[in-house]
Amino acid sequence: NAGVTQTPKFRILKIGQSMTLQCTQDMNHNYMYWYRQDPGMGLKLIYYSVGAGITDKGEVPNGYNVSRSTTEDFPLRLELAAPSQTSVYFCASRRSEGSYEQYFGPGTRLTVT
Amino acid sequence: DQQVKQNSPSLSVQEGRISILNCDYTNSMFDYFLWYKKYPAEGPTFLISISSIKDKNEDGRFTVFLNKSAKHLSLHIVPSQPGDSAVYFCAASDMRFGAGTRLTVKP
Repeated sequence: NAGVTQTPKFRILKIGQSMTLQCTQDMNHNYMYWYRQDPGMGLKLIYYSVGAGITDKGEVPNGYNVSRSTTEDFPLRLELAAPSQTSVYFCASRRSEGSYEQYFGPGTRLTVT
Repeated sequence: DQQVKQNSPSLSVQEGRISILNCDYTNSMFDYFLWYKKYPAEGPTFLISISSIKDKNEDGRFTVFLNKSAKHLSLHIVPSQPGDSAVYFCAASDMRFGAGTRLTVKP
């Protein structure tokens, strides 16, 4: 049971490039989340999903897109990367309503230059 | 707007003493609160939670207190250990997080 896995661990992008951050969980959790953490700040919710085929915006969705075609996978797409997207990205999952505990992946450190 | 706030960016305590980490919230509709612990280069891990119908929840050395009238919760760690040194985040049931408090426990 690997929990929540994220790839890559590190990435450097040039301004205007695109990439996909991968997130997979093997706990059969319905709910999945993407957060970003900027230095000295808390986690800001980017997008979330309550099940396959259902996604919704969080606090800071601009510049990102997501999809949820399976229960296990929740990739985050960055189009036209900007320096403001330099951050550490965390993916998380949780079981369902009534269970609020989230399980986090190890994070992806992204630098846009 | 920041609905979950941790106003103390850092806290330093001596080993064996009590650590008290604070969190304030603005939305009285939150029905659950959680504390997470984060070590460098790792994702946050769940520590302890409390339902809004309770005012205290205890798990070993960790106790969370909830004061609904003040919209305030606190995490008490007794006794504090050097391994507790980490960043602690409080979170609400809408999955919003505070900015975190860096706890340093000195031997």
